[in-house]
Amino acid sequence: DGGITQSPKYLFRKEGQNVTLSCEQNLNHDAMYWYRQDPGQGLRLIYYSQIVNDFQKGDIAEGYSVSREKKESFPLTVTSAQKNPTAFYLCASSGGRHSPLHFGNGTRLTVT
Amino acid sequence: GQQLNQSPQSMFIQEGEDVSMNCTSSSIFNTWLWYKQDPGEGPVLLIALYKAGELTSNGRLTAQFGITRKDSFLNISASIPSDVGIYFCAGQGGSEKLVFGKGTKLTVNP
Repeated sequence: DGGITQSPKYLFRKEGQNVTLSCEQNLNHDAMYWYRQDPGQGLRLIYYSQIVNDFQKGDIAEGYSVSREKKESFPLTVTSAQKNPTAFYLCASSGGRHSPLHFGNGTRLTVT
Repeated sequence: GQQLNQSPQSMFIQEGEDVSMNCTSSSIFNTWLWYKQDPGEGPVLLIALYKAGELTSNGRLTAQFGITRKDSFLNISASIPSDVGIYFCAGQGGSEKLVFGKGTKLTVNP
């Protein structure tokens, strides 16, 4: 089945540690995205990539980093510089400029 | 930047009732999307709209792309318990990025 896989589903980390969230897609989509979701909030864009080896900052990129070495993979690192990292993180991909986004099932990160 | 106002924020209805929610924008969009999110899951695309005035149905769901291109609504007819969740609108203008509303949380009482 084609889709987007995020792992792990739940992640717990101590404050001050970097953590990497995985996102893999087998939809052959060029564009991939990372969003952050907080309770009662809409989705806020962290980073996006329209093609391999290229990515752009979204609206809330501070404290995060990404890489796009392969078309299928777009990992997100939450660094210790992110002031409030506890949140639900969603990865998405799309097949073209005006194609809808398809989402993974999210990773809930808790930092204590 | 572009902003979307989605209303209502939450709805509590009885099973069988119809539901209506809408999104308005401060700027023109070329695409409107409606998603549903179940607790702890990712949003799932319900309906995509690409032309002003377009009215599209998906089962009991109907969505319209407003004539002004600054608004869209979603209707759910004859609600059932599995309709519970958070419904998001999203709009796309000239840039690549989607703008999301803050969601409408729907509760259906059996």
